[in-house]
Amino acid sequence: NAGVMQNPRHLVRRRGQEARLRCSPMKGHSHVYWYRQLPEEGLKFMVYLQKENIIDESGMPKERFSAEFPKEGPSILRIQQVVRGDSAAYFCASSGQERRKEKLFFGSGTQLSVL
Amino acid sequence: KQEVTQIPAALSVPEGENLVLNCSFTDSAIYNLQWFRQDPGKGLTSLLLIQSSQREQTSGRLNASLDKSSGRSTLYIAASQPGDSATYLCAGFNDMRFGAGTRLTVKP
Repeated sequence: NAGVMQNPRHLVRRRGQEARLRCSPMKGHSHVYWYRQLPEEGLKFMVYLQKENIIDESGMPKERFSAEFPKEGPSILRIQQVVRGDSAAYFCASSGQERRKEKLFFGSGTQLSVL
Repeated sequence: KQEVTQIPAALSVPEGENLVLNCSFTDSAIYNLQWFRQDPGKGLTSLLLIQSSQREQTSGRLNASLDKSSGRSTLYIAASQPGDSATYLCAGFNDMRFGAGTRLTVKP
């Protein structure tokens, strides 16, 4: 049973390009969370999604960032017109059916570097 | 919005010591609290999950307690080993916001 899969592991973009980060939750999990981690800093919550729904996006920047979790396929975190300040590690986590009762399982992250 | 604070920010101990990491949170109406470890350049590994109805959880040399009334959780590590060196993070669940973590170094 594969864990939470994130790809790519490393992503390099030039300023102004788009970045797409993918997250496949553990089998049977329907809750997905995205976090951002800057060097030497803690994890910052970005967005929480269930299948086809955004439940909490209070941590998402108002512009350029969007997330989805379609009925079929992985969750996508999309960053448009990237800037150097977007360079960070982006982690995805998933949990099972009952949001508040189950452990979060994390992927290995995507390291985004903006040149 | 939940605020999570972890003390100390960094801790260095000799191998074999017992140690305590602290986590405090502002919203006592949490549903559960989780402790994680993060190794450099890696993702997070869940260590212990304490439901709001529980007071503690144990796994091997790890013991985590939860006191909702005071807004605190502690992670106790017995007989520490160099392999325990990592950053330890807690997150309170209503919204899974994390503390900044405690960076632990266990010296051989």
